[in-house]
Amino acid sequence: AQSVTQLDSQVPVFEEAPVELRCNYSSSVSVYLFWYVQYPNQGLQLLLKYLSGSTLVKSINGFEAEFNKSQTSFHLRKPSVHISDTAEYFCAVSLTISFGGYNKLIFGAGTRLAVHP
Amino acid sequence: GAVVSQHPSRVICKSGTSVKIECRSLDFQATTMFWYRQFPKQSLMLMATSNEGSKATYEQGVEKDKFLINHASLTLSTLTVTSAHPEDSSFYICSAKIRDRYEQYFGPGTRLTVT
Repeated sequence: AQSVTQLDSQVPVFEEAPVELRCNYSSSVSVYLFWYVQYPNQGLQLLLKYLSGSTLVKSINGFEAEFNKSQTSFHLRKPSVHISDTAEYFCAVSLTISFGGYNKLIFGAGTRLAVHP
Repeated sequence: GAVVSQHPSRVICKSGTSVKIECRSLDFQATTMFWYRQFPKQSLMLMATSNEGSKATYEQGVEKDKFLINHASLTLSTLTVTSAHPEDSSFYICSAKIRDRYEQYFGPGTRLTVT
């Protein structure tokens, strides 16, 4: 069965410091991986995704994540964070439902990134 | 692109009444829509998956007669919470996906409070 583990429930960091949010997954088949961000009282926004090709994927606001098949990880990094990056971050893996002909997402528990001045 | 709206954003209802939440894909056709429930400071719990024109598939433990889902068109899905009780109070989020693509696009969520 596919599952997602986000090892850190909270990550406090000072502004302009680097950050890494960890995500590990378990799957016996090819995976499609995602990072979503959720700001307070809002829905989720797609931050970046890995479907195939280059294992390093980047977002427009400076985040990047690297797919590591041997370590079954998809950690999210940013070299210098801003106050506005404070949010909840969810890692997710796509699960194929063969009989239904669709995919659904399995989410990790989330990591609360708190950026302090 | 890929914008999903939800209405209402907040609703307060009395115990025993029913509440309908709408989810719309504004600029794309959503072959599949999903309904999630999120408790405070927790992850999203998938409630059900609906494909346009067919019955919704509910996750284990979710009462289909309690949470009625209709996916009437490629741009609209509704979730009706029937005979709501205070324990149904939660943040409900919908998402939508395009055929043959893996990512989901999420609505802004609906905060339901049952008094």
